[in-house]
Amino acid sequence: NAGVTQTPKFQVLKTGQSMTLQCAQDMNHEYMSWYRQDPGMGLRLIHYSVGAGITDQGEVPNGYNVSRSTTEDFPLRLLSAAPSQTSVYFCASSYSLKDIGNTEAFFGQGTRLTVV
Amino acid sequence: AQSVTQPDIHITVSEGASLELRCNYSYGATPYLFWYVQSPGQGLQLLLKYFSGDTLVQGIKGFEAEFKRSQSSFNLRKPSVHWSDAAEYFCAVGVNTGNQFYFGTGTSLTVIP
Repeated sequence: NAGVTQTPKFQVLKTGQSMTLQCAQDMNHEYMSWYRQDPGMGLRLIHYSVGAGITDQGEVPNGYNVSRSTTEDFPLRLLSAAPSQTSVYFCASSYSLKDIGNTEAFFGQGTRLTVV
Repeated sequence: AQSVTQPDIHITVSEGASLELRCNYSYGATPYLFWYVQSPGQGLQLLLKYFSGDTLVQGIKGFEAEFKRSQSSFNLRKPSVHWSDAAEYFCAVGVNTGNQFYFGTGTSLTVIP
């Protein structure tokens, strides 16, 4: 199993550009999520999905879109990049806490995004 | 609302000394609790988790944590720290009603020889 795979690892964007961060998992997890990590702020939830076709907003959703057309993939789209979106982005997946309970979040290696 | 507090932003310990990282949570029901470790430039790796049963849980790399319901705490401990333990440590709570994980702001650990 590859686990959770994120691409790219590094990206530099100009203000106003758009891009998609890719996330794929091969563990058949229902739950997938995107976090951003900023110094002193821990991990903040951007968007999450509890299954294909179902997404919802987290704490900091503004400026980001997601979709979940398959169980495996959960891309994060930046519509018009801003310097405030400079951060490290992590994708995570898990079984459903509601259904399984004894599960954990598995993380990708992260994408370091700089917006200039 | 759910929240996780890690009161110590940064901790420095000598190699071989004992370690305790604090974590307090706010959640109405019995939480699912986790500790993750992040090495520089890496993703997060699970150290241990608590769901039910014995309140003292053992994890990887010689870490353990104790769930204390009365104090809403889930502190991480290690009896003898190694230089390779230098990293960022995150406490998290899993919420089954919303099926989400909430993370603390992290504690950065420095180990001095």
